[in-house]
Amino acid sequence: GQQLNQSPQSMFIQEGEDVSMNCTSSSIFNTWLWYKQDPGEGPVLLIALYKAGELTSNGRLTAQFGITRKDSFLNISASIPSDVGIYFCAGRTQGAQKLVFGQGTRLTINP
Amino acid sequence: KAGVTQTPRYLIKTRGQQVTLSCSPISGHRSVSWYQQTPGQGLQFLFEYFSETQRNKGNFPGRFSGRQFSNSRSEMNVSTLELGDSALYLCASRLGDRDGYTFGSGTRLTVV
Repeated sequence: GQQLNQSPQSMFIQEGEDVSMNCTSSSIFNTWLWYKQDPGEGPVLLIALYKAGELTSNGRLTAQFGITRKDSFLNISASIPSDVGIYFCAGRTQGAQKLVFGQGTRLTINP
Repeated sequence: KAGVTQTPRYLIKTRGQQVTLSCSPISGHRSVSWYQQTPGQGLQFLFEYFSETQRNKGNFPGRFSGRQFSNSRSEMNVSTLELGDSALYLCASRLGDRDGYTFGSGTRLTVV
């Protein structure tokens, strides 16, 4: 099925470093969502974006809705061990009742 | 308030059997969606229900079906199970069309 192109697929960083990941699509979305999933659990919503150019923060997390409406970015500042997990972007087109997900970015942090 | 509740958490079934999974959305949420998550295909949309009506269906065979009750609780059913149906099945609910989806912890289905 249709998926977003999310990169990188995995990241290995040191505690305290900043992290950046992004998603691109060939389709225009009117909603971008960023989720984090821990092993054995469902995805947890981190940030929701509804307008092109929108920049939204949630603590150390900042996400942006790309101006072309075909991409989105997530940044994590000063990473800590509990940031470990898989991060997913998800997009929704106008009028659609389904989310299209990226393949995920697996974040590993070395203390 | 309670989150999205999915039961059971784990399930083991034999090929050819059928299975029913249950989802209770957050109180007040009338929209319920189902997703299948596998290592190979990632998160794939199954269907969405709103006020007991299926509004959208993903690209899955007819063996996958679902329904929603008047209290917004939802069930999905998979008949004639195949090995490839082994996956984490996730349910999500939302308040309105502009809101983000809140996911449950999922049901881990293993078909042997």
